[in-house]
Amino acid sequence: GDSVTQMEGPVTLSEEAFLTINCTYTATGYPSLFWYVQYPGEGLQLLLKATKADDKGSNKGFEATYRKETTSFHLEKGSVQVSDSAVYFCALTSANTGNQFYFGTGTSLTVIP
Amino acid sequence: ETGVTQSPTHLIKTRGQQVTLRCSSQSGHNTVSWYQQALGQGPQFIFQYYREEENGRGNFPPRFSGLQFPNYSSELNVNALELDDSALYLCASSSPNQPQHFGDGTRLSIL
Repeated sequence: GDSVTQMEGPVTLSEEAFLTINCTYTATGYPSLFWYVQYPGEGLQLLLKATKADDKGSNKGFEATYRKETTSFHLEKGSVQVSDSAVYFCALTSANTGNQFYFGTGTSLTVIP
Repeated sequence: ETGVTQSPTHLIKTRGQQVTLRCSSQSGHNTVSWYQQALGQGPQFIFQYYREEENGRGNFPPRFSGLQFPNYSSELNVNALELDDSALYLCASSSPNQPQHFGDGTRLSIL
């Protein structure tokens, strides 16, 4: 079945460092891919999305490119801030999943000043 | 635009009891999905409702049930609570084929 695999954390970076969080997926169809962020004590917020191969989603300095050839959707940011500290979830959905979302296990990011 | 709201925010129950969690969907959304998020894990799909009908179900036992009302708000009911049911329960609403918008969740603790 469809699934998402995320790099395990936790990840600790210094402010202004470069961030990469790896995400790969398995899907039988043509999924849409998402990154959600969860701050402590809150629900999930949509960070960015891509709906077809080679699409690049971007928001708040974060980017991810839908790579069909490597079945990946890695999250990147050029210069992280303390306020980026949160848990990041990669997710997919498709018509094959009945539009159900499948989430990765999450990657905890801590940015230190 | 009103976002997804869930109630209550926290709840403590004992084993064997029953619980009802509530969700008001975002304005304009007719689809509601429920997820269980155990500590340190990603959300796991419980089920989805579209126009008051169940529209998909994850790998959860029948003691997890739900409803969707004509105004698209929804309830999640769990019977015969077990210790492993302790988790954050998230509701998400959407329009078909659009990203899901999540509420802040209900933290359920089973003693």
